[in-house]
Amino acid sequence: AAGVIQSPRHLIKEKRETATLKCYPIPRHDTVYWYQQGPGQDPQFLISFYEKMQSDKGSIPDRFSAQQFSDYHSELNMSSLELGDSALYFCASSLGRGSNSPLHFGNGTRLTVT
Amino acid sequence: AQSVTQLDSQVPVFEEAPVELRCNYSSSVSVYLFWYVQYPNQGLQLLLKYLSGSTLVKGINGFEAEFNKSQTSFHLRKPSVHISDTAEYFCAVNPWGSARQLTFGSGTQLTVLP
Repeated sequence: AAGVIQSPRHLIKEKRETATLKCYPIPRHDTVYWYQQGPGQDPQFLISFYEKMQSDKGSIPDRFSAQQFSDYHSELNMSSLELGDSALYFCASSLGRGSNSPLHFGNGTRLTVT
Repeated sequence: AQSVTQLDSQVPVFEEAPVELRCNYSSSVSVYLFWYVQYPNQGLQLLLKYLSGSTLVKGINGFEAEFNKSQTSFHLRKPSVHISDTAEYFCAVNPWGSARQLTFGSGTQLTVLP
């Protein structure tokens, strides 16, 4: 079965650069979520979109922005990167945004900021 | 607000032995409960979920969990583990009726020894 696709798998950037992470949800899933997982940490919710509109906002820095496009894929844009932004960034999708619908996670993008 | 506590950060166990990974949660409202597994360099995979009904929930790979409302616990168990079960396990909750914002525990690294 098709899963959530994230690209790139790995990304290395320098401080103050920008990065764009992409997420392609499972077909027919209309809700996308972004999570950040620091080294040895649990995933922290950043932001979510439902039907191309922002649904919820978590601990996303102002330097980051995201959107969901008409084909339901989503992009997380990160500017003025800092060393502390080094983490694994997960995208997840679900059908509907009800709290009982399970999230399906991608394999993540590992961002390293040097 | 919700919080999830996974009491054991590391659980080493010999192959074919039983294992229990503990999870306690705190919430002022009713929640849905989930266990996710994360293999090295991979995304989070749903193991099982408790939404309602029977408090004993069976998941993939022979895992099961029991919801105990009075103790606010959702411990994960497997009667006989395999080397391939070595991974990080995350307990997560989501409040009823809210848009999706999973709150994760800090994770338990299960290491199965030969």
